[in-house]
Amino acid sequence: QQQVKQSPQSLIVQKGGISIINCAYENTAFDYFPWYQQFPGKGPALLIAIRPDVSEKKEGRFTISFNKSAKQFSLHIMDSQPGDSATYFCAAGWPDSSYKLIFGSGTRLLVRP
Amino acid sequence: DTEVTQTPKHLVMGMTNKKSLKCEQHMGHRAMYWYKQKAKKPPELMFVYSYEKLSINESVPSRFSPECPNSSLLNLHLHALQPEDSALYLCASSHVTGFSSYEQYFGPGTRLTVT
Repeated sequence: QQQVKQSPQSLIVQKGGISIINCAYENTAFDYFPWYQQFPGKGPALLIAIRPDVSEKKEGRFTISFNKSAKQFSLHIMDSQPGDSATYFCAAGWPDSSYKLIFGSGTRLLVRP
Repeated sequence: DTEVTQTPKHLVMGMTNKKSLKCEQHMGHRAMYWYKQKAKKPPELMFVYSYEKLSINESVPSRFSPECPNSSLLNLHLHALQPEDSALYLCASSHVTGFSSYEQYFGPGTRLTVT
């Protein structure tokens, strides 16, 4: 199944709180899982990525948690800030995919001041 | 330089017009992509060029015609578009081998409106 299911569709968090976005997949051939951040009117920007041989990766306030057995991965944004308000897309890539990424449906995050 | 540039930022065209979108990168990437993105949806892959050769065409209508003149430039020629083609058109680039081939860098997009 070449699908990545993302939830929630939208999320509202207070400033300083933790934002959590979840993604699930079926294809065990996926071997690369990036997250993209997109501000209105801009192109997506690669935020952080993980490979399935690692259970967690942290970059600043952004952490990816990866559960290979459950075929799930999630993005945690610690100390969420109003400037983090954007749409977040998870994605997955696999060997011999000819450069294709399968994107999740997106999560619109709003961080209230 | 980790920037992908796209021109124009905005384009309004009639259904009988011919126009072109342009994309440029100077990161030494040899894979370049065109995506279409509708509001509140993820990017949808249209074309992939690898080493200046068309590698993937995702069954895109012939009114969209891509061109890769050299390793830094990517064009999308538009002709006889329909109103439903109105969208944000994104260019991206990446390396072609290894895990870095998954790391796609996107431009800011061209907002296209077809009237």
